[in-house]
Parts: sequence; structure tokens; C-alpha cells
Amino acid sequence: AQSVSQHNHHVILSEAASLELGCNYSYGGTVNLFWYVQYPGQHLQLLLKYFSGDPLVKGIKGFEAEFIKSKFSFNLRKPSVQWSDTAEYFCAVTPSYGGSQGNLIFGKGTKLSVKP
Amino acid sequence: GAGVSQSPSNKVTEKGKDVELRCDPISGHTALYWYRQSLGQGLEFLIYFQGNSAPDKSGLPSDRFSAERTGGSVSTLTIQRTQQEDSAVYLCASSLRLVISATPGEQYFGPGTRLTVT
Repeated sequence: AQSVSQHNHHVILSEAASLELGCNYSYGGTVNLFWYVQYPGQHLQLLLKYFSGDPLVKGIKGFEAEFIKSKFSFNLRKPSVQWSDTAEYFCAVTPSYGGSQGNLIFGKGTKLSVKP
Repeated sequence: GAGVSQSPSNKVTEKGKDVELRCDPISGHTALYWYRQSLGQGLEFLIYFQGNSAPDKSGLPSDRFSAERTGGSVSTLTIQRTQQEDSAVYLCASSLRLVISATPGEQYFGPGTRLTVT
């Protein structure tokens, strides 16, 4: 069965610090990968996605993620966080083919708290 | 509005009662998904609709859970004989997905329905 692991439950950073949130997935085939963000009191929204091509993808608000196939990883990064980045971040995976394509398998999320 | 809407936003029910949760997807989105977000379990996939049919019901936790979609639009998730472990936020998402083999479109999530079973 597919699964997604996010290594950090809660990360606390000061403004301007660099961020890296880990995500590893378990699936033998080709996958599509996503990071979603949920700001306090708001809906889940897509931060960035990887389907194919350049393994370094850029998303909104200065976030980027790198797909490393050999490590089954898709870590999220941002060089300098802001207080407004305080949110919960979810990594998700879906198979590229087959009947389950599109059904997102989520990690348990990482809460990011940024101190002003 | 242009987004996914869900109703009610909050529902408190007594154990053993049935509940219906509603999702209005973005107009024109052919695919509709239900997820559940609970403490300790994170976000779990429940069921997916392409049009009015549900090719993947693998995530439904028990036969007390069912869902339908009519007219390729509104969907209802029904939980019969609710139990305390059903307490969670139920999220609906929709996307453009014209054929099963196509690259899935971005899923747009609704605000969720917070279900509390007492």
C-alpha cells in the first residue's frame, strides 16, 4: 500500500530562517507528488506539484521542492520564512496510472510556527 | 462563489443517528473526492467520483458509509448509525478529470464539515 511519511510533526523557526520539511513516500511505480498548505482557519490549497520533467519544482510564495527518485523523497524548502508562513503543510502522492490515479494519499502533516 | 462549498459547516449528532454531508463542487469539474481529517489519522481518502459513478470506494471505512453524486454535480456523504470514532472534519475536493488515464487536475478543496458525535 502507498504511504507518505513526514518526519517532523512541529517545526518552530524564527523569521528569515531557512526551512526544509521532509517527505518520503512508499510506492513502487511512477507517482505524482504534491505539497498542500492549510493556513489557520483556511482551506487546503496547493503549494506545488510534480508530475514529470525537472525534478526541482517551484511553487507559490517562494517555496520549492525537489523530487529525488532514488530516495523516494520530495522535500519542501524555502530559503527565508516569514511569519505569514505559519501553517500546516501536507505532502501527498498519487500513482500516475491506474484506477487510484488522482486519489491523494497524504502524510500526517507538519505544523510550522514562525516567530516574528 | 467559484469554490467548492460544503454544508453544514458544523454538525453535532448523537451516537447512533444518521448524518448527511453535502458537497457542491466547482462548476464543470467532473471529478469529486471525499477525504476525512481526524486527529492522529491525518487526511484519509474515502471515495472518488468521475461523473456520477464511483470507480474507487476503497477508502470507505465501513458499510455505514455511503456516497452518491447526482447530475455530475452535488454529492452527499451519508454516515449511518454514527459512532464516536466518526468524529472528524470531512473534506470534499473537485478537479477537472476528463478521462481516467489523463493527468489528474489540481484538486480544489472545500472548507470541510466538522462532525462531532456525542
